[in-house]
Amino acid sequence: DTGVSQDPRHKITKRGQNVTFRCDPISEHNRLYWYRQTLGQGPEFLTYFQNEAQLEKSRLLSDRFSAERPKGSFSTLEIQRTEQGDSAMYLCASSFPGDTQYFGPGTRLTVL
Amino acid sequence: AQSVSQHNHHVILSEAASLELGCNYSYGGTVNLFWYVQYPGQHLQLLLKYFSGDPLVKGIKGFEAEFIKSKFSFNLRKPSVQWSDTAEYFCAVVNTGFQKLVFGTGTRLLVSP
Repeated sequence: DTGVSQDPRHKITKRGQNVTFRCDPISEHNRLYWYRQTLGQGPEFLTYFQNEAQLEKSRLLSDRFSAERPKGSFSTLEIQRTEQGDSAMYLCASSFPGDTQYFGPGTRLTVL
Repeated sequence: AQSVSQHNHHVILSEAASLELGCNYSYGGTVNLFWYVQYPGQHLQLLLKYFSGDPLVKGIKGFEAEFIKSKFSFNLRKPSVQWSDTAEYFCAVVNTGFQKLVFGTGTRLLVSP
């Protein structure tokens, strides 16, 4: 399968714990995006990378959130000191510049 | 700020009925437009897209959408739906000067056999 992959698919954690998600984009794509989707809403943009450079961050991305793409390939999204409001589906997408974004299956986070 | 409105949150149709889902966006500049679909248990998939050219675009599975610039609309249509079209449909817009997709809230379509 050469699509976008995400790991884990589901994560249950207790409030206050740290969690990290991984995204592997389509290999030729140099752009990688993170979105968050809550129940009844469409995905909301969090941040994006071109190669290893993080070029834009949404105001939704509080200082508890950090994303990296150290070698311009896979990316990680870390949430520190999780809160119940962080419960959501975290989606990753990749693309060529200015082209269609292709989405992965998402990581569903539940914070108890 | 850009926003996308999808007028129908839930739609229920019988098989063979015609479908039209509304999508309006608020941005006066040049945009690229998308419809994504999420089938039950699956991830978001591209249904169709408009970048430029013919404002009537055709996508997979018999879907089409028409871009009407004067109305800031990009409505999705299908002349005859099937049970397998049961899914959630998202309209999305990207300003060609920026990178982030802005999504509508989605429309849940249920097609009864």
